[in-house]
Amino acid sequence: DQQVKQNSPSLSVQEGRISILNCDYTNSMFDYFLWYKKYPAEGPTFLISISSIKDKNEDGRFTVFLNKSAKHLSLHIVPSQPGDSAVYFCAAWRYQGGKLIFGQGTELSVKP
Amino acid sequence: ETGVTQSPTHLIKTRGQQVTLRCSSQSGHNTVSWYQQALGQGPQFIFQYYREEENGRGNFPPRFSGLQFPNYSSELNVNALELDDSALYLCASSFGQGGTDTQYFGPGTRLTVL
Repeated sequence: DQQVKQNSPSLSVQEGRISILNCDYTNSMFDYFLWYKKYPAEGPTFLISISSIKDKNEDGRFTVFLNKSAKHLSLHIVPSQPGDSAVYFCAAWRYQGGKLIFGQGTELSVKP
Repeated sequence: ETGVTQSPTHLIKTRGQQVTLRCSSQSGHNTVSWYQQALGQGPQFIFQYYREEENGRGNFPPRFSGLQFPNYSSELNVNALELDDSALYLCASSFGQGGTDTQYFGPGTRLTVL
């Protein structure tokens, strides 16, 4: 049962444009949602998170939007830079249980 | 401040063997979580240790076991290896068990089971 889904395995964007990565979830009991970035041969690195009681969180070029009614979240990167090229994972977390549940990942390629 | 380290980097085993993977937490962190990442998939939660006690477990059989030591370093042990155990094994440390406590991941151990 895939509770967190990233339906786009890959995304290609031109440098300077907006990158939008999407994530859907099925469990309405999640308390936090997080985005991680992963470069080859490195572990995932925390990028940004959002509480389930908020609908937007911004940190520099990165903004995460949460639509609870649609059980959907998205990560916007503006402007996109070649160094943003990586695999992006969304993850969800509940107070009860304590485990992070990850999506399958989306590979972002930002072309100069 | 050192980050999360894992050893070994790569490992090749044969079916039926046993393996031990090691993780050193980031300084000051008291919680370690282990994940299995199969090719093309996201990390899957195996279990978490908080102050040397198992604090949550995912859908993995008992042949996956772990330990956390007083210095908060950790081991993942897998017995009776199967071909499907081939994956990247990631550990992550944090100060605290919750979603608001950022988990810092190590680079992983690539396990191949032949």
